[in-house]
Amino acid sequence: QQPVQSPQAVILREGEDAVINCSSSKALYSVHWYRQKHGEAPVFLMILLKGGEQKGHDKISASFNEKKQQSSLYLTASQLSYSGTYFCGTYFSGNTGKLIFGQGTTLQVKP
Amino acid sequence: DAGVIQSPRHEVTEMGQEVTLRCKPISGHNSLFWYRQTMMRGLELLIYFNNNVPIDDSGMPEDRFSAKMPNASFSTLKIQPSEPRDSAVYFCASSPGIRAYEQYFGPGTRLTVT
Repeated sequence: QQPVQSPQAVILREGEDAVINCSSSKALYSVHWYRQKHGEAPVFLMILLKGGEQKGHDKISASFNEKKQQSSLYLTASQLSYSGTYFCGTYFSGNTGKLIFGQGTTLQVKP
Repeated sequence: DAGVIQSPRHEVTEMGQEVTLRCKPISGHNSLFWYRQTMMRGLELLIYFNNNVPIDDSGMPEDRFSAKMPNASFSTLKIQPSEPRDSAVYFCASSPGIRAYEQYFGPGTRLTVT
């Protein structure tokens, strides 16, 4: 039931791009993305509510493919501040209010 | 806004003792969530409330765990008796609603049970 994230970890140089994927075996109502820095609380990035929806702010964007039951987070021209663990959280269709988080993807951006 | 407030930030206790974690959600938010985070199990939802009513407590691991929300501005998570395997970071989060709204996490309480 837990969404599966890939890759588990990625190391980048500043300015490089990364893609983090989140897949589910069940029909999704929405996908949420959060970033957590070491020793801190998760911080909300964005929600995707509709299949095909794409969102973004700054150089971080995401897409939601309802048919494939997956979402992807795109980080372009990465900055040192992007380092942290990225979690996708999913609400399943028919589910009431239980947000299920994936296992997380650790991103490290090096100078 | 002060954000979600949790206390204490750190708690060290001995096995068998009662532990009470506290949370003050953001004013105006009507949904409150308790999460536990460990390296082994990741970030898992324990229980959530909507308008002060517990909606889903299926994530509460055992009867040793209980949660209350007596009013819109306060919630507690109690562990009695505590065990070493309860050691984790416990987060409280609040939201203006469920499913289509972002959750705002508190700073967390790091619990160590020896």
